[in-house]
Amino acid sequence: GAVVSQHPSRVICKSGTSVKIECRSLDFQATTMFWYRQFPKQSLMLMATSNEGSKATYEQGVEKDKFLINHASLTLSTLTVTSAHPEDSSFYICSARDPSGGAFGTQYFGPGTRLLVL
Amino acid sequence: EDQVTQSPEALRLQEGESSSLNCSYTVSGLRGLFWYRQDPGKGPEFLFTLYSAGEEKEKERLKATLTKKESFLHITAPKPEDSATYLCAVKETSGSRLTFGEGTQLTVNP
Repeated sequence: GAVVSQHPSRVICKSGTSVKIECRSLDFQATTMFWYRQFPKQSLMLMATSNEGSKATYEQGVEKDKFLINHASLTLSTLTVTSAHPEDSSFYICSARDPSGGAFGTQYFGPGTRLLVL
Repeated sequence: EDQVTQSPEALRLQEGESSSLNCSYTVSGLRGLFWYRQDPGKGPEFLFTLYSAGEEKEKERLKATLTKKESFLHITAPKPEDSATYLCAVKETSGSRLTFGEGTQLTVNP
């Protein structure tokens, strides 16, 4: 299957600082990427849809000023958690949609980033 | 609103003991049903995509089937390395987002 990478895999930061997470599609050019958040023993919660060259679409209840998304190229999307607080601690996972399937193409997921805010 | 329900929540099997995981869904128009495997602390790994009722796909000890209301993931003669959480997700006609079920945590004991 296709490879999607995330960096960093784990980050610990102090409350009030900003953290940037990178998501790269290595095998195909992804016009659409997705950012998810996952709490322990729960399923994935979609935060936002990232479209190359345009603004991200955020899910209801997700603060767009808190979670900044930039999809500057067809292989890179970034999520910046601004002024992070302990309640932002979570497992963040990105995915990239295979364009060969159009809007219904398979999503391939990155390995995830564990964020701990102290 | 799309709904995806997976059962059971957790399943313990002995090595070699075959079983099935269920994913029932309610969508206005199904455009794809996806199965993923997730190991602890990792992102989901893609397993199968099913598009229409009657479709079946196989990979090693896993076989996924699809009806108009549900999908099954059959595990034949599982091994301990098959232990993971299996996630089902659907994509409906009108949107590109995936709607995930809560997952089935599978444990295979040696």
